[in-house]
Amino acid sequence: SQKIEQNSEALNIQEGKTATLTCNYTNYSPAYLQWYRQDPGRGPVFLLLIRENEKEKRKERLKVTFDTTLKQSLFHITASQPADSATYLCAPYADKLIFGTGTRLQVFP
Amino acid sequence: NAGVTQTPKFRVLKTGQSMTLLCAQDMNHEYMYWYRQDPGMGLRLIHYSVGEGTTAKGEVPDGYNVSRLKKQNFLLGLESAAPSQTSVYFCASSYSTDNQPQHFGDGTRLSIL
Repeated sequence: SQKIEQNSEALNIQEGKTATLTCNYTNYSPAYLQWYRQDPGRGPVFLLLIRENEKEKRKERLKVTFDTTLKQSLFHITASQPADSATYLCAPYADKLIFGTGTRLQVFP
Repeated sequence: NAGVTQTPKFRVLKTGQSMTLLCAQDMNHEYMYWYRQDPGMGLRLIHYSVGEGTTAKGEVPDGYNVSRLKKQNFLLGLESAAPSQTSVYFCASSYSTDNQPQHFGDGTRLSIL
């Protein structure tokens, strides 16, 4: 069955450092992959979309990579800030969007 | 611009009671979705709609019914609530399914006693 793995343990980093979150998927080949941010008590908010033929996508301090050979996407936040603290969800799309369980990022001053 | 609005925000029900969750979007999106989010499970699709008057089953449809009588509204019904349906329910909408982001509401927190 289709499976998505995101690190369930929280990622704690210091302000100003680069945060890297990992999304691994198995048993399918997504045409594209989306990343969302979710704050406590709120719905997910779309951040970035990367297609299977794109290796990398950037938006301000965010960067996403998509390696179809490794079946992995990496999500980077450079110069991280406490306001970046949230849970980040990856969602690969094959014939439907499937959401990972998310990784909680905590940026401390 | 409100985006996606869900009502109510919180609700407590007794086992066997029924209720309807309302989702409204003002972006003229064709596609609408209902998800539930449980700890350690991620978002799971309950039902979805590809346009006014259409609905389809998602990954976990049992115990739920939906209706899309108007393009902007998508209703989720629980006919006989069970404790296993205690969850946070999210509605989302999108312009299409091809390379389009989904826009989410802020959820309905439902407890079934």
